[in-house]
Amino acid sequence: AQKITQTQPGMFVQEKEAVTLDCTYDTSDPSYGLFWYKQPSSGEMIFLIYQGSYDQQNATEGRYSLNFQKARKSANLVISASQLGDSAMYFCAMRVTNAGKSTFGDGTTLTVKP
Amino acid sequence: GAVVSQHPSRVICKSGTSVKIECRSLDFQATTMFWYRQFPKQSLMLMATSNEGSKATYEQGVEKDKFLINHASLTLSTLTVTSAHPEDSSFYICSASTAGRDEETQYFGPGTRLLVL
Repeated sequence: AQKITQTQPGMFVQEKEAVTLDCTYDTSDPSYGLFWYKQPSSGEMIFLIYQGSYDQQNATEGRYSLNFQKARKSANLVISASQLGDSAMYFCAMRVTNAGKSTFGDGTTLTVKP
Repeated sequence: GAVVSQHPSRVICKSGTSVKIECRSLDFQATTMFWYRQFPKQSLMLMATSNEGSKATYEQGVEKDKFLINHASLTLSTLTVTSAHPEDSSFYICSASTAGRDEETQYFGPGTRLLVL
């Protein structure tokens, strides 16, 4: 069985600063993908970034980067230069290759302060 | 990116009535669609996985007869909440994915807020 753990229910960050949202995972499958999603108060789930288990380099997408430490089974999301619009709930998710469905963490609510 | 629509976005109904929620992939063919339920400030709870042309696979604890799922085509899946009760009030989100590309994310619909009075 797969498990995703997000240990930070809530995080605060000052505007323009960087913030790291933690995510650890557990699986016995060697091939999997890790995803981060943003969910603003409107409820829509917005895909942010993807990291494959065999990817050698950490994924980056604009201000988002994923700090992938395979041996530690962690996949932390780093948001640089935080903006007020980054305030939302963030979910880490994992999908085992060919399994179809994803497993989600409990989420972290990020609040960006002006 | 790919677009998934969901209709209606919000519905209020009386206890005992049935409510149908549609999930459509607008610009791609979705071999698999997922239905989630989410309570406020909580994570997404997978209810069922549906593949086009076959019966949905329900997660443990989800009543098949209460939450009817139909995936009639590669672009449409429906979730019907039968004989809805106040405890069924929740945020329901669908997502769709294509086969063969594991780096392909699930594309989520905007969600449906259901309130049962």
